Amino acid sequence: DTEVTQTPKHLVMGMTNKKSLKCEQHMGHRAMYWYKQKAKKPPELMFVYSYEKLSINESVPSRFSPECPNSSLLNLHLHALQPEDSALYLCASSQVAGGTDTQYFGPGTRLTVL
Amino acid sequence: RKEVEQDPGPFNVPEGATVAFNCTYSNSASQSFFWYRQDCRKEPKLLMSVYSSGNEDGRFTAQLNRASQYISLLIRDSKLSDSATYLCVVTGAGGTSYGKLTFGQGTILTVHP
Repeated sequence: DTEVTQTPKHLVMGMTNKKSLKCEQHMGHRAMYWYKQKAKKPPELMFVYSYEKLSINESVPSRFSPECPNSSLLNLHLHALQPEDSALYLCASSQVAGGTDTQYFGPGTRLTVL
Repeated sequence: RKEVEQDPGPFNVPEGATVAFNCTYSNSASQSFFWYRQDCRKEPKLLMSVYSSGNEDGRFTAQLNRASQYISLLIRDSKLSDSATYLCVVTGAGGTSYGKLTFGQGTILTVHP
């Protein structure tokens, strides 16, 4: 079963709100990723977690705060976002972070910031 | 120069046509190569990995030329359901880029009746 789940599917929030995106996989993968995708653009990597530790932060603003509570879960905490942060947020996982491992993507959370 | 460049497209082809997508990458030490497809408002899904020896999966054939840093995807006998954006994806070469996916801009394919 190559399934990555994400909740919620859609999220609308104001600039002063605090919300969280959740991602879960039960494939035993030890690497998990957050990507941001704007319309008509490819996904852009935000964060990589390897063995529950943050290994890559692609200079993402601090209003995005990732968390990996265990090997199956990945959260993205959002606070004081801007309208330009509206996008599709994709979670992905792979066996390990690196090498030839395929990354499997979740369906994404479509975020709108008002 | 972009790290991964694809044909700009869009490609608009009739059912049954053969269509080819090309992609080039700039880092000669890149490790792995993939084609993903992404349907409108959906997540990217792996279509196939790409190997130097070439690989085929049904109507889809992928080729990698490491010397030319060139990747291709051939779709034969196009179906309406092949309509999607095709993303050429390369993984990082090492150091902090190890395992990092770099995406091309994507090529839109529309197959019409």
